[in-house]
Parts: sequence; structure tokens; C-alpha cells
Amino acid sequence: AQTVTQSQPEMSVQEAETVTLSCTYDISESDYYLFWYKQPPSRQMILVIRQEAYKQQNATENRFSVNFQKAAKSFSLKISDSQLGDAAMYFCAYRSQGGSEKLVFGKGTKLTVNP
Amino acid sequence: KAGVTQTPRYLIKTRGQQVTLSCSPISGHRSVSWYQQTPGQGLQFLFEYFSETQRNKGNFPGRFSGRQFSNSRSEMNVSTLELGDSALYLCASSLAGRIYEQYFGPGTRLTVT
Repeated sequence: AQTVTQSQPEMSVQEAETVTLSCTYDISESDYYLFWYKQPPSRQMILVIRQEAYKQQNATENRFSVNFQKAAKSFSLKISDSQLGDAAMYFCAYRSQGGSEKLVFGKGTKLTVNP
Repeated sequence: KAGVTQTPRYLIKTRGQQVTLSCSPISGHRSVSWYQQTPGQGLQFLFEYFSETQRNKGNFPGRFSGRQFSNSRSEMNVSTLELGDSALYLCASSLAGRIYEQYFGPGTRLTVT
């Protein structure tokens, strides 16, 4: 079974600093998609960034970037210049490239941003 | 463009009762997926519908069922509620295929007493 592991239940960062959230996965397929979702206290899940496994270039969205290491099955999220609004639960997720939209989520990392 | 809407937002039920939750996807989205979120188990996939057909189902008992209507709106039903069914139920919609983004609704918080 495909599994996604987030080994850091909680992380904290000072405002304006950089933080990296870890994610590893155990997937047997060669083609798949990886995502980071953010869930603030309002509970609304928001897509932060996505990566297609066949692309070697790491995805970047403004202050958010990933370090995708396919061979090591690692997909970490780097948040630069952290802001108070970044405080949330962050979930790493995988989706097969096949027809299904099913997402397999990790357990999440709670990020606290200190002023 | 209106987002994914879920009704009701909060629900309190008693053990043994049944419940129906509704999800209206973003206009034009034909794929709807449901997830259960609990502190202990995290986010778990329930089922996925595309064009009124169940395309995938998670590892949940038969008490959990769903359907999708011709306008892409989806409902999920839980019969004979148990205390362990207390959770946040999230619905997500997408255009389906490739890496199109899934948009999540605000969720329905179900409490079973």
C-alpha cells in the first residue's frame, strides 16, 4: 500500500525565518503527483504546491519551494520569509497518475510561527 | 466563481441514527471526492465519483455510502452511526485528469453522541 510519512508532528519558526517540513513516501509507481496542502484553523484545505514526478525541476510558488528527491522518495517543503499567516497544519499528499483523483495524505505537521 | 460548498456545516447525531451530508462542487467540475478527518487516523479517503459513477472507494464499512447526481452534486450517507464516526468530513472537487487542482470545501463537522 502506498504510504506518506511526515516525521515532524510539530515545527516552529520565527517570523521572517526559513523552515523546512519533511515528507517521505513509499510508492511503487514511477509516475505520480505530490502535493503540499495547508489547513489553517478555519479547516479549509488549500493547495500550496504540487510536483509531477517526471519533472526533475523542483516546483516553486513564491515563498514556497520543494526539494524533490525521487530516488530517495523524499519531498520536503521549504517556506522562506515565514509569515504569521503561514501558521497551519501542513499535509503532504500523493496521487497516482492513473484515472483516480484519490489523495493519500501524511499525518500532517503543525507549524507555529512566532512573532 | 463560487467554491465548493458543504451542508450542513455542523451536525450532532445520536448513535444508531443515520446522516446525509451534501457537497456541491465548483461549477464545471465533474469529479467529487470525500475524505474523513479525525485526530487519530488523519485524512482518509472515502470515495470518489465522476459523472455519477463511483470510481474508487476507500477502506470503510458498508455503512458509508455515497452517490453523485447529474448536476455533479454529491451526497454521502452514514447509517447506524457509531461514536467513532465523529469527524470532519471533507469534500473536494476537480476537473479530473492530469494534475488539475482539487478544491476542498469547508467540511461538515459531525459529532455522534
